[in-house]
Amino acid sequence: AQRVTQPEKLLSVFKGAPVELKCNYSYSGSPELFWYVQYSRQRLQLLLRHISRESIKGFTADLNKGETSFHLKKPFAQEEDSAMYYCALRGTYKYIFGTGTRLKVLA
Amino acid sequence: DAGITQSPRYKITETGRQVTLMCHQTWSHSYMFWYRQDLGHGLRLIYYSAAADITDKGEVPDGYVVSRSKTENFPLTLESATRSQTSVYFCASSAVQSGYEQYFGPGTRLTVT
Repeated sequence: AQRVTQPEKLLSVFKGAPVELKCNYSYSGSPELFWYVQYSRQRLQLLLRHISRESIKGFTADLNKGETSFHLKKPFAQEEDSAMYYCALRGTYKYIFGTGTRLKVLA
Repeated sequence: DAGITQSPRYKITETGRQVTLMCHQTWSHSYMFWYRQDLGHGLRLIYYSAAADITDKGEVPDGYVVSRSKTENFPLTLESATRSQTSVYFCASSAVQSGYEQYFGPGTRLTVT
């Protein structure tokens, strides 16, 4: 079964603390993994994709095929990182989204 | 990202009524999608379309109907609205040329009373 699991509904961290949003997936094939973000009163937008291997807004995510994970990390959280984060898997042109993790960065 | 728009942005309707949510994109993207966003469920795919006149069911299609007579439009119709269809609905589009990145509309908040 194709599935994306985000085990945490809510993650609260203090400003300056490290952040890790967990994502595990199940897919028979070679998926493409993404993180999408929704800031308050803004649209969902792409944050990063695993094939790009870039750091966006200080966030990175490494695809671990052995553990079927694609965790999102940032060494020092900022208040503006507070948002809803969705991990997503693309098989063909369709996406499967996880249930999302709301990140709250506390001052 | 004015390239993909949704209307109305907010809608209150009564149980049993038909309601249509509109989605319009100006990029000529081949693929279009409808999702609903619910607490605890994340984003769930309702219907999708690979091109004009080609549509297919997603994860939660029951109670919904779509059409795509033109590439730029992808309306979603609730034939007989139920309270369980109270949700935020997002339209998205994508294309091969942009690596299938999904571009989302601003959402429509629908309340069924």
